[in-house]
Amino acid sequence: GQQLNQSPQSMFIQEGEDVSMNCTSSSIFNTWLWYKQDPGEGPVLLIALYKAGELTSNGRLTAQFGITRKDSFLNISASIPSDVGIYFCAGPSGVDGGTSYGKLTFGQGTILTVHP
Amino acid sequence: DTGVSQNPRHKITKRGQNVTFRCDPISEHNRLYWYRQTLGQGPEFLTYFQNEAQLEKSRLLSDRFSAERPKGSFSTLEIQRTEQGDSAMYLCASSLRAARLSEQYFGPGTRLTVT
Repeated sequence: GQQLNQSPQSMFIQEGEDVSMNCTSSSIFNTWLWYKQDPGEGPVLLIALYKAGELTSNGRLTAQFGITRKDSFLNISASIPSDVGIYFCAGPSGVDGGTSYGKLTFGQGTILTVHP
Repeated sequence: DTGVSQNPRHKITKRGQNVTFRCDPISEHNRLYWYRQTLGQGPEFLTYFQNEAQLEKSRLLSDRFSAERPKGSFSTLEIQRTEQGDSAMYLCASSLRAARLSEQYFGPGTRLTVT
């Protein structure tokens, strides 16, 4: 089945620093989603990307849909303590990412720790 | 808009018992999904409904698992004869069947511990 690989697995940064993480796949996705999960809670949708090359921002977060359609990137600028959590990339599963929107495949997550 | 809600938030049960979880999706959303998440992993798809029809089930969903969405609104997930390996966070999500139905919105989850 389709797999998403996220890197790095974890990051330890100082408050105010910028953060970059990425997600790669062996197969093409037509949609990329980024979620954040706090301990004991469900994932919260941050950004959705629908076109190759698309760059979308949500406050201090910026995500890009890779032009090969096999990768995506998430950047966080000027990190703050509440950015702590696990960041997941996800995409709809299917033959080419477009035949089935019924389920999402998730990466294993990037754990972000922000030191004040 | 109150978001997706799940009950209970936590459930501790003994091996062999049956448990049932409930999910109430966002009111106008007609697609509802169940996922399971274990420690250190991303959520894994279990099943989903469009209105009251169950359209897809994962191979992860053994015969001991059953899900229903009788009136196309709330859904229940039942696990019969629980095993220790069923211990996980069970997440429910919903989406609107429209252009952007990949955008799934998750509830807070039900944490199941089987002792």
